[in-house]
Amino acid sequence: GAGVSQSPSNKVTEKGKDVELRCDPISGHTALYWYRQSLGQGLEFLIYFQGNSAPDKSGLPSDRFSAERTGGSVSTLTIQRTQQEDSAVYLCASRLAQNRNEKLFFGSGTQLSVL
Amino acid sequence: ILNVEQSPQSLHVQEGDSTNFTCSFPSSNFYALHWYRWETAKSPEALFVMTLNGDEKKKGRISATLNTKEGYSYLYIKGSQPEDSATYLCASQWSNYKLTFGKGTLLTVNP
Repeated sequence: GAGVSQSPSNKVTEKGKDVELRCDPISGHTALYWYRQSLGQGLEFLIYFQGNSAPDKSGLPSDRFSAERTGGSVSTLTIQRTQQEDSAVYLCASRLAQNRNEKLFFGSGTQLSVL
Repeated sequence: ILNVEQSPQSLHVQEGDSTNFTCSFPSSNFYALHWYRWETAKSPEALFVMTLNGDEKKKGRISATLNTKEGYSYLYIKGSQPEDSATYLCASQWSNYKLTFGKGTLLTVNP
């Protein structure tokens, strides 16, 4: 596609429910990131995928969070048993990752609200 | 934990004013410094990616400088316009893929 696509754009859920967020990166981009921005905070790194390498999951805040990237393309971020503190904008970004000074291309994000 | 600081946190200027913001980052393990503009209801969009000490980049009325030895970058906007209103994010890239973002500077340009 022309850009990074994320869905849904908004998600309202009840505490304790599971949610799944989707990211479709730019075709050919081997690197994919998930970030989140909570109110008043900076962009917080969650997870990084690069080609067939093992993902860097060091930013996932708890074991309720998991992510997959199938076929080196689409990624899903799953949050189980959502809590109110999970409310944030979840951003996905992709990158060609052939040189060190490449920019990230971001999606427009998913605004998650946990009631 | 890598700490990236941006100042000011927010800024209100009048149309036509020139302005600048600061991004401070640890100078060790430096790979690149990124600047992004994030307008409300849109995706963050890359402005610049800089790698060399002393780098200066320009895009229209916006320019940026980089000092990797002392760990800071300045973003300048000349003759601010209302459409420049956005959050400006900087990120320090400290490995071949890891970036740490600052909290951003929220710029509001009043007509």
